[in-house]
This record gives sequence, C-alpha cells and structure tokens, in this order.
Amino acid sequence: DGGITQSPKYLFRKEGQNVTLSCEQNLNHDAMYWYRQDPGQGLRLIYYSQIVNDFQKGDIAEGYSVSREKKESFPLTVTSAQKNPTAFYLCASSPRTGGRNTEAFFGQGTRLTVV
Amino acid sequence: GEDVEQSLFLSVREGDSSVINCTYTDSSSTYLYWYKQEPGAGLQLLTYIFSNMDMKQDQRLTVLLNKKDKHLSLRIADTQTGDSAIYFCAERSNQAGTALIFGKGTTLSVSS
Repeated sequence: DGGITQSPKYLFRKEGQNVTLSCEQNLNHDAMYWYRQDPGQGLRLIYYSQIVNDFQKGDIAEGYSVSREKKESFPLTVTSAQKNPTAFYLCASSPRTGGRNTEAFFGQGTRLTVV
Repeated sequence: GEDVEQSLFLSVREGDSSVINCTYTDSSSTYLYWYKQEPGAGLQLLTYIFSNMDMKQDQRLTVLLNKKDKHLSLRIADTQTGDSAIYFCAERSNQAGTALIFGKGTTLSVSS
C-alpha cells in the first residue's frame, strides 16, 4: 500500500532535549512538508522540500531543522531552541508538477509533549 | 500576505445540510481543496475544485467557487454524525513552492 508514515504517534520530551520525528513516504513524491497544528490555529508550515537535498523554511521554522537525504524520507528535529514545542506535527507529500494538481497526502501525525 | 479564512464552528442536526464557507487571498490559485480531519488523525482530502469551474458535485458534497469574491464553500447534504470533524479549506501557496496554505479549520458538530 502506498502512503506516508509518521512515527512515533506519541512522543514525550524533557525540556532542553532535541527530538527527531520520522516521516517516510512510498508514493514517489518529490515534495514533502512539515506542518504544526495547535488548537484553533490551523496548520502552519514549518519546512518544505521540493526535491532531494534541498529544503526551504516555512512560516515558523525557528527552533526546527530538517534534512532530505533521500526522496522517501524527511525527518524533522525539534531542537531545544523551540520555546513552545508541544503540538501535533503533520507530515505531507505531493507531486511537484508545476501548474497541475498538487494534492497533498498526509501522515497520521505525531503528538509531541514536553514534560 | 497569504491568508485563508474560515468560520471556526458549525453545529447542525443529523439529516440537515451543512455549509462551510472559506475566503482565500490568491486570485491566481489554480486548485482549491477541502480536507477533513477526525480527532487525533491526519488530514484526508475530501474534494478539490479547479479554478475554471464554478461548481463540483461528488455524492453528498457540493463545492461552489466564486472567483470574483474569492469565496469557496462546501455543502454536505444529509449530514450524518460521522461527518463530525474539522474541515479545512486550502489553497496552493505562491511563496512556498507547492505547499498548501490552510485555514484555521471549521469544527462541524452533528447532533442526532
């Protein structure tokens, strides 16, 4: 089955620790994205990658880092510099096809809680 | 800047129609999307509409697009309790590659 997998589903972190969220897709999509969701805030774009070995900051990149060494994988690291990291994190992927439909497919999310 | 606006809450009775409204900013948006999110889950694409269309119907779902007013709506006919979820309107960003920009989401509550 083709899809996008995020792991783990729940993650607990102590203050001051870095933590990495996994995102893997087997849809052969070029583009991948990370969004953060807070209650009443909708989805806000953290980072996006249009192609392997390239990524760009979104609206709220401070305190986060990413890598895109493989087409299938786009891990997100939440660093200790992120002041309010408790949130629901969603990874998505889409074809990178210019003016054509770029429907995004989402993973099931990772809920990160700082304890 | 880019912004997608939605009302935050809608409450309906089972069997009624639900209408969720959205306004977007980018008049050059070629595709506009409606996603559904159930509690604790990711987003699931419900439907999308191409900008040269005024209306798209898919079973119980009807999407209306008014490009002049940059207004998009999603009508759910014969709303069921299983339709209770958060509904997001989205447009493609013109500043962030192929990323989608989402509204804050409308929480639909269906009572029996």
